[in-house]
Amino acid sequence: GDSVTQMEGPVTLSEEAFLTINCTYTATGYPSLFWYVQYPGEGLQLLLKATKADDKGSNKGFEATYRKETTSFHLEKGSVQVSDSAVYFCALSDNFGNEKLTFGTGTRLTIIP
Amino acid sequence: ETGVTQSPTHLIKTRGQQVTLRCSSQSGHNTVSWYQQALGQGPQFIFQYYREEENGRGNFPPRFSGLQFPNYSSELNVNALELDDSALYLCASRAGGVSDTQYFGPGTRLTVL
Repeated sequence: GDSVTQMEGPVTLSEEAFLTINCTYTATGYPSLFWYVQYPGEGLQLLLKATKADDKGSNKGFEATYRKETTSFHLEKGSVQVSDSAVYFCALSDNFGNEKLTFGTGTRLTIIP
Repeated sequence: ETGVTQSPTHLIKTRGQQVTLRCSSQSGHNTVSWYQQALGQGPQFIFQYYREEENGRGNFPPRFSGLQFPNYSSELNVNALELDDSALYLCASRAGGVSDTQYFGPGTRLTVL
């Protein structure tokens, strides 16, 4: 079945550091790929998405490129801020009709001033 | 445009009891999905409803059941609660097209004692 593997956390960085959170997937067909963010005590918010190979999703300075050849969708940001501290989830949608999301286990990111 | 809302915010039950969680979809969305997020884990797909019919189910036993109403609001019912049912339950709605984005509510935190 479908699965998502993402970088184990927690990750702690200093403000303005470069961020990479790795995500790889296993899926049949051509899934859509997502990054969701969860702030403390809240539900999930969509951060960015890509629906086909070589698409780049971007939002709030975060980027991720859909790499079919390496089955990856790594999240990057050039300069992180304290407000980026949250848990980040990589996910895929199978696009077979019910659009269920399969999530990774999440990566907790803490940014220190 | 109102977002996805869920009630209650928190709930404490004892083992063996039954619980009903509620979700109001975002305006214009006819598809709702429910997810279970155990502490420190990614959300797991429970099931999805489209126009009041179940349209996909994850690996959850029959004591997890749901309803979707004509106004597209939804309920998740769990019978014979077990300690492992303690989790954050997330509802997500989408407009229903292929690859449409799912929008999540803030969740209901269920504790089973």
